Formats: sequence, C-alpha cells, structure tokens
Amino acid sequence: QKEVEQDPGPLSVPEGAIVSLNCTYSNSAFQYFMWYRQYSRKGPELLMYTYSSGNKEDGRFTAQVDKSSKYISLFIRDSQPSDSATYLCAMSGSGGYQKVTFGTGTKLQVIP
Amino acid sequence: DGGITQSPKYLFRKEGQNVTLSCEQNLNHDAMYWYRQDPGQGLRLIYYSQIVNDFQKGDIAEGYSVSREKKESFPLTVTSAQKNPTAFYLCASSKGTGGFSEQFFGPGTRLTVL
Repeated sequence: QKEVEQDPGPLSVPEGAIVSLNCTYSNSAFQYFMWYRQYSRKGPELLMYTYSSGNKEDGRFTAQVDKSSKYISLFIRDSQPSDSATYLCAMSGSGGYQKVTFGTGTKLQVIP
Repeated sequence: DGGITQSPKYLFRKEGQNVTLSCEQNLNHDAMYWYRQDPGQGLRLIYYSQIVNDFQKGDIAEGYSVSREKKESFPLTVTSAQKNPTAFYLCASSKGTGGFSEQFFGPGTRLTVL
C-alpha cells in the first residue's frame, strides 16, 4: 500500500464548476499537507499548504485536512480553463529534515 | 529573476552511456533535491543535499550520482547502471529543510534512452 493515494483521473468538468480533488494517506506522522499544480511538461508549483488539521482558503482555492480520517481535499470554485493541469498532493512530517511524499497527481481538464 | 534552471530540456542517450543533467539556482537556497517523475508513480526522491559538499541518498538512488561543490549547483549523473532511466527529471531547492520549507521546482529534463 502506498503512503499517499490519489486518483489519477482524468477529471473533466465544465467551466464554472466546483472541483474536488482528494488524497488519502496512511502515515500518521504527516503534519504538513501541500497541493502542487503542474502544467504539462513543466515543474510543479506550490498552490497552498496547511499544517495539521483544518481549512485554509486562498481566493478560489480551499484546502481541507481531516487527520482523523487521514484525508485531504482541495476545492476549486468557479473553475477556469486555465486551471487545467495536474494537481499533486504532498505531505511531510515536522522537525529536522522531513522527506516530502507526493501523490501520483490528478489530471484536471476544465472545458470552456 | 530568481529561479531554478535545468538543462537540457530534452536529452537522448544511448544505452551504456552516462549523462549529466544540470541544475542551477540563484535563490540562495541551502537545500537542493532531485526527483524522478514517471506516469502513475508521482515524484520519487533520488538524492538531496542540505548543504554544500554534503548529500544523501533518497528512495531510488541506485544508478545515479550527484555532487554539490557549489551552493548554486547540483548536477545529476545518470549512469549506465540505471536500468530504466527514461523519465522526466525534476530539480528543486528550498531555503532549509526544517519544519516547512517550500520546494521550488525547475522546468525539468526529459531523458529518453534509445
């Protein structure tokens, strides 16, 4: 079993839809939870991160962490064609050097 | 502009050849990383370096080697011992490694073995 599981998609939605992307994990030591966006043939870029449980909002993006269920989500409101990309969840522990463990990524396509 | 550069963007290698992928950063970051990305596998850590002249193996270091002689540079050599080197290689850097330290990624090098 992988430490981080993510549905690869592809996920296709119409412009303006609310998108929900999810990851599950098995390592209870994870404390930092990140979402990266990767456009085709480019390097990933950090969208947002949260520490421990709770919600975090940044514009049209909301990240949620439920540590009791070992489940994290990224919601995108009013999705735009420019949101079409692969979204990678990533997690790490805290204290000293902590390896970042990445999900496999979910490919999202927003149809105009 | 500060950032991370990787070269070349595309690289073709014959079986049995060693190749070196370049990674340079001007962000004044202490830590640098090499990842490999394959379809359906996510990013896997090859090597990382927290400081100049020091580096550690990641999860899939076999068949790879690195050096960190300068803070700005972290080249990766893919040796002939790497059994399946065709992949997308990503270099990253971060200010530090303790707590949360955002990793900034380069644009990647796509290596194809012919």
